[in-house]
Amino acid sequence: KAGVTQTPRYLIKTRGQQVTLSCSPISGHRSVSWYQQTPGQGLQFLFEYFSETQRNKGNFPGRFSGRQFSNSRSEMNVSTLELGDSALYLCASRMTLYEQYFGPGTRLTVT
Amino acid sequence: GENVEQHPSTLSVQEGDSAVIKCTYSDSASNYFPWYKQELGKRPQLIIDIRSNVGEKKDQRIAVTLNKTAKHFSLHITETQPEDSAVYFCAGANTGTASKLTFGTGTRLQVTL
Repeated sequence: KAGVTQTPRYLIKTRGQQVTLSCSPISGHRSVSWYQQTPGQGLQFLFEYFSETQRNKGNFPGRFSGRQFSNSRSEMNVSTLELGDSALYLCASRMTLYEQYFGPGTRLTVT
Repeated sequence: GENVEQHPSTLSVQEGDSAVIKCTYSDSASNYFPWYKQELGKRPQLIIDIRSNVGEKKDQRIAVTLNKTAKHFSLHITETQPEDSAVYFCAGANTGTASKLTFGTGTRLQVTL
């Protein structure tokens, strides 16, 4: 089976812009979670989607949002970008309650 | 919410030696504890996990132990090899209410020749 894929892999944006990142889970996995990874804060949970519904949400401002489509693919959107949003954004998919498998991430740089 | 602490932040061992990384968690309801390995520029890879109904799990050179009473779990790597060099993250989750993973801050393991 193909692994979790994310597009784009790299992105450079300017403060104030918005960005949309995409994640395609492993075939058959219906849950997709998003994480932000930074050197200072480590890996932090953003939100989880299952069957097109947001099931959990982390402690991030409302500028961070997401959605999931009927084919389980997911997107996350960040509006009004700030310098501090520069990070590696990882998505992870799972089939059961347990094992989560990560994609390669999207490296977002905000200038 | 859950808080996971991880020690040490860096660990250097000689090839062939053992490495141990320790984590503690705060939420007694957490029941799932995976470990991820992340090489430079790569995605985190699930290397082993343990559920709260067992105290130890082993997979070749890697083992994880869980002490629910003390709320801590550890990763043990034996006969370390240069390719074990990476950042290792522990995590905890309560799969009963939410499957979000709360991660430790990571341990940079360097295996020297």
